[in-house]
Amino acid sequence: GDSVTQTEGQVTVSESKSLIINCTYSATSIGYPNLFWYVRYPGEGLQLLLKVITAGQKGSSRGFEATYNKEATSFHLQKASVQESDSAVYYCALRGGSALGRLHFGAGTQLIVIP
Amino acid sequence: DPKIIQKPKYLVAVTGSEKILICEQYLGHNAMYWYRQSAKKPLEFMFSYSYQKLMDNQTASSRFQPQSSKKNHLDLQITALKPDDSATYFCASSQENTQDTQYFGPGTRLLVL
Repeated sequence: GDSVTQTEGQVTVSESKSLIINCTYSATSIGYPNLFWYVRYPGEGLQLLLKVITAGQKGSSRGFEATYNKEATSFHLQKASVQESDSAVYYCALRGGSALGRLHFGAGTQLIVIP
Repeated sequence: DPKIIQKPKYLVAVTGSEKILICEQYLGHNAMYWYRQSAKKPLEFMFSYSYQKLMDNQTASSRFQPQSSKKNHLDLQITALKPDDSATYFCASSQENTQDTQYFGPGTRLLVL
C-alpha cells in the first residue's frame, strides 16, 4: 500500500539557519500521488502548509518549499532561514492516485527553533 | 471563527463504555473524514463520506460507526471502548473527495481507562 516515511522525529535548528525535513514515499495505487505538507503549531489543529499534485513541480508557502521528485520518490521540506515561530510538528502526507481521497501521513517531525 | 468544530476537546471514558465524538464543518464541503492518531504513531485514515454516503473505510472494527445526520455533520460513535482506542481523533472535510484539499479540525483527545 501507500506509505510515507519521515526519518527525523525531531530537528533542532538555530534561528536564521536553513532547514530541511526529509520525506520519502511509496505509492502503489494507480496514478501519480498528490503530496502535501501539513503543520501543527502548539495548541492548534493541523493546517495545510503546501501541496503539489504534479511530479516535478515545486510548492511553496510562508518561505517553505518542497519539490515533488518522482525519480527519488521524495518531497523534502526546505526553508532558507527559519524563525522561532516556525517551531511546530510537520507532517508529510500522500494521497494516492485513486479517487477515494484518503491521506497517508508520515510520523511527523518536530521542529524546534532556538532563538 | 472555527470552521470545523469537534466536541468535546477532551474525553475520558471507562473500558466497555460507549462515546460519540462530534464533528461539524461550516465550510460548505461535501466530503468528510475521520483520522486517528495514537501515541507514537502517524495519523491513520479511518473513514471518508461524500454527500453523507460512506466512500472508504479503513477501520476493521465495527465498534467504530460514523453517523451523518446532516450534510455538514459526521459524528463517530465508538462502542465497547478499549484502552487501545485512546488517541486523538481528527475530523476533516474537503469540497469533494478527489483532488481537493482536506481541512482538519482541532481533534478530540480520548483517553480510555
